[in-house]
Amino acid sequence: NAGVMQNPRHLVRRRGQEARLRCSPMKGHSHVYWYRQLPEEGLKFMVYLQKENIIDESGMPKERFSAEFPKEGPSILRIQQVVRGDSAAYFCASSFGGTTSTGELFFGEGSRLTVL
Amino acid sequence: AQSVAQPEDQVNVAEGNPLTVKCTYSVSGNPYLFWYVQYPNRGLQFLLKYITGDNLVKGSYGFEAEFNKSQTSFHLKKPSALVSDSALYFCAVRDIWTDKLIFGTGTRLQVFP
Repeated sequence: NAGVMQNPRHLVRRRGQEARLRCSPMKGHSHVYWYRQLPEEGLKFMVYLQKENIIDESGMPKERFSAEFPKEGPSILRIQQVVRGDSAAYFCASSFGGTTSTGELFFGEGSRLTVL
Repeated sequence: AQSVAQPEDQVNVAEGNPLTVKCTYSVSGNPYLFWYVQYPNRGLQFLLKYITGDNLVKGSYGFEAEFNKSQTSFHLKKPSALVSDSALYFCAVRDIWTDKLIFGTGTRLQVFP
């Protein structure tokens, strides 16, 4: 049973370009969470999605950032017009029924974005 | 608002000695508490959780955590540290209103041979 798969693992973009990060949850999981980890900082919640629905986007910056989890295919975190401050590790996590079921989240290996 | 605090940025311990990584929480209602570990350039791995029941929770790799309601703490412990335990440890609490995990700032554990 494959775990949470994230790609690309490493992504380099120049300022002003777009970054697309993909996340395939564990088989059978329909809840996806995105977190951002800045250097020497903890994990910050960004967005929580279920299939075709955004449940909580309270941690998403108001501009340039968007996320989706379509009926078919992976969840996508999209960052438009990247700036150097977007350089971070972005982690995706999935669960079967949200944290109300078994509680724990299963994390991917992360996508490390570097903005030049 | 639900939150956790990890008061130590780094904990140093000699191999074979017991280790403790501290976490305190602030929640409304009964807490769901978690510990995760992150090795360099890797994702987070679940170690253990407390939802209800015994205050002493046993998890992966010989780790355990003690839930203390009066002190609002959930410290991670291990009787005998290994060099391979060196990693970044995160405490987390479930936000009952929004169904997400809120993480602490992390504690870097360094185990010296």
